Amino acid sequence: RKEVEQDPGPFNVPEGATVAFNCTYSNSASQSFFWYRQDCRKEPKLLMSVYSSGNEDGRFTAQLNRASQYISLLIRDSKLSDSATYLCVVNRETGGYNKLIFGAGTRLAVHP
Amino acid sequence: NAGVTQTPKFRVLKTGQSMTLLCAQDMNHEYMYWYRQDPGMGLRLIHYSVGEGTTAKGEVPDGYNVSRLKKQNFLLGLESAAPSQTSVYFCASSPLGTGAYNEQFFGPGTRLTVL
Repeated sequence: RKEVEQDPGPFNVPEGATVAFNCTYSNSASQSFFWYRQDCRKEPKLLMSVYSSGNEDGRFTAQLNRASQYISLLIRDSKLSDSATYLCVVNRETGGYNKLIFGAGTRLAVHP
Repeated sequence: NAGVTQTPKFRVLKTGQSMTLLCAQDMNHEYMYWYRQDPGMGLRLIHYSVGEGTTAKGEVPDGYNVSRLKKQNFLLGLESAAPSQTSVYFCASSPLGTGAYNEQFFGPGTRLTVL
């Protein structure tokens, strides 16, 4: 079983739609959590960190449920430019080093 | 600032050939990493470095070697390439510290095909 699991999608949604992605992680020692965005044939870039109380950045809302070990990302009012793969990432410290564990990603395609 | 750069961007090798991928960062970051990304899988850590002159194995180190002779550079070597090493390779860097919130900055990637 992968340490970080995501639905690969693709999620095909029209512009203006609200879409939600979920991610589960298996290691309860995980300390911090992120969503990265990766455009086609490009490098991953940090979209947002995920805080325990939940956090919002414009149209994007991230939630964390430590008890159930899942993380979610909600995108409101989808734009064509939101089309990308969204990577769920978990940070776990081991031996004094912060190890990032990446999910395989959920692909989002927003159409007119 | 250029951030993290990688050379080359593309490369085709024959089985058994060797090559070195170069990563450079101008952000004065202590930590540097090499990942590979394959379809249907998350990025997997090959090797990493916590400072100049240090290297350590990651999740999938076999068949690769690394060197960090200068703080700004992290080299990934393939001594005898195999088709299983066909992948996209990403270099990343992050600032010093083991704080919980640790953004990594990625280079644009190197697409390697081994025939």
